[in-house]
Amino acid sequence: EVQLVESGGGLIQPGGSLRLSCAASGFSVSNNYMTWVRQAPGKGLEWVSLIYSGGTTYYADSVKGRSTISRDNSKNTMYLQMNSLRVEDTAVYYCARRNYYGSGSSYPYYYYAMDVWGQGTTVTVSS
Amino acid sequence: DIQMTQSPSSLSASVGDRVTITCRASQSISNYLNWYQQKPGKAPKLLICAASGLQSGVPSRFTGSGSGTDFTLTISSLQPEDFATYYCQQSYSTPPLTFGGGTKVEIK
Repeated sequence: EVQLVESGGGLIQPGGSLRLSCAASGFSVSNNYMTWVRQAPGKGLEWVSLIYSGGTTYYADSVKGRSTISRDNSKNTMYLQMNSLRVEDTAVYYCARRNYYGSGSSYPYYYYAMDVWGQGTTVTVSS
Repeated sequence: DIQMTQSPSSLSASVGDRVTITCRASQSISNYLNWYQQKPGKAPKLLICAASGLQSGVPSRFTGSGSGTDFTLTISSLQPEDFATYYCQQSYSTPPLTFGGGTKVEIK
């Protein structure tokens, strides 16, 4: 069964650090584009970070310079290291697989969508 | 960055109603548009890819359409299990992967 399971959330003081984990089963994280998406209480979805199968990484401006996405292929697990946490980082953090859905006839020529999601892990930043 | 705007932000409807949700992109994104459904306390679920491509297992009462900047998600006959929040997301220019603000479909 294709599945993602997040862990590592918790209550942390402002300025602290946390590492979130996303364990995959049924597919390989190293062969897929993987993402982190968060949702603040009562708010919508916000993309956080992306790692391509080749290892290239991207971050939302809101976490750039404070977060690092990585993966351990031997554990089939993706991570999000978050430093200098702020109250506004409080959210449920989801990991998701960004899967390829075929080619298009116009730029950017490839369709991608987040088709497998974890159950989420809650990060609360508060003093 | 491409901005995605959904309307309405919420709506009330009855079982059996036809419901239409609109998503507008700040620039043309061709048909690089996905729709997700999220129920309270649950992770989002992919419904539609490439503006109109229904995912396996998603009921046929869900229809996506549109191209360029304007897109719609239509539920032809609302069922009790459809009460949820719906998000559009552009996959034309990424990163960032931008979502719309969401449309909450509530029971009238």
